[in-house]
Amino acid sequence: KNQVEQSPQSLIILEGKNCTLQCNYTVSPFSNLRWYKQDTGRGPVSLTIMTFSENTKSNGRYTATLDADTKQSSLHITASQLSDSASYICVVSAVNDYKLSFGAGTTVTVRA
Amino acid sequence: SQTIHQWPATLVQPVGSPLSLECTVEGTSNPNLYWYRQAAGRGLQLLFYSVGIGQISSEVPQNLSASRPQDRQFILSSKKLLLSDSGFYLCAWSPRGTFSYEQYFGPGTRLTVT
Repeated sequence: KNQVEQSPQSLIILEGKNCTLQCNYTVSPFSNLRWYKQDTGRGPVSLTIMTFSENTKSNGRYTATLDADTKQSSLHITASQLSDSASYICVVSAVNDYKLSFGAGTTVTVRA
Repeated sequence: SQTIHQWPATLVQPVGSPLSLECTVEGTSNPNLYWYRQAAGRGLQLLFYSVGIGQISSEVPQNLSASRPQDRQFILSSKKLLLSDSGFYLCAWSPRGTFSYEQYFGPGTRLTVT
């Protein structure tokens, strides 16, 4: 069964600090992994997408890593800002499968 | 550029009442369309997907239904709402033939069944 597990469930950080979110998956055969940012009451917005051959991808202060051997990914937020407060969702897709596997998300709260 | 719209943004309905949520996509043709439901603290659950007009696949047995009367219009309906239907409903689209690549989400509809 394809599964995606995210940790921690939630975290609180001070503005300007860094943090790292984790994602473990068991999706097979692997196609790609994406990180989405979802503000409260809004739809998810894509931050990064990585295929099997990519092990790092950046989008501004967001850097995602992928280890396809251990089936782990991380999302690193650098110099956090108040606007980074959101839920971050890890999504994994299998080859030629319409059905994506979603993690439950990590809720990040940035405090001044 | 492509945009996806959903309405209404919020909805409060009594148990047993009907439901109609609408989703439209602009700036693309023949998209794959999806309806998801998001419960608090849980991952998104795929409800329906469509690869063309009148072609609907259901993922989860429930009292909801979906229809695609036009190429870029996707409707989620119910004849009688249950309390368990409360949640955040998201519509998404992806380019035709790209199931496993990028999906773009709409702004969502918050449904509260009372």
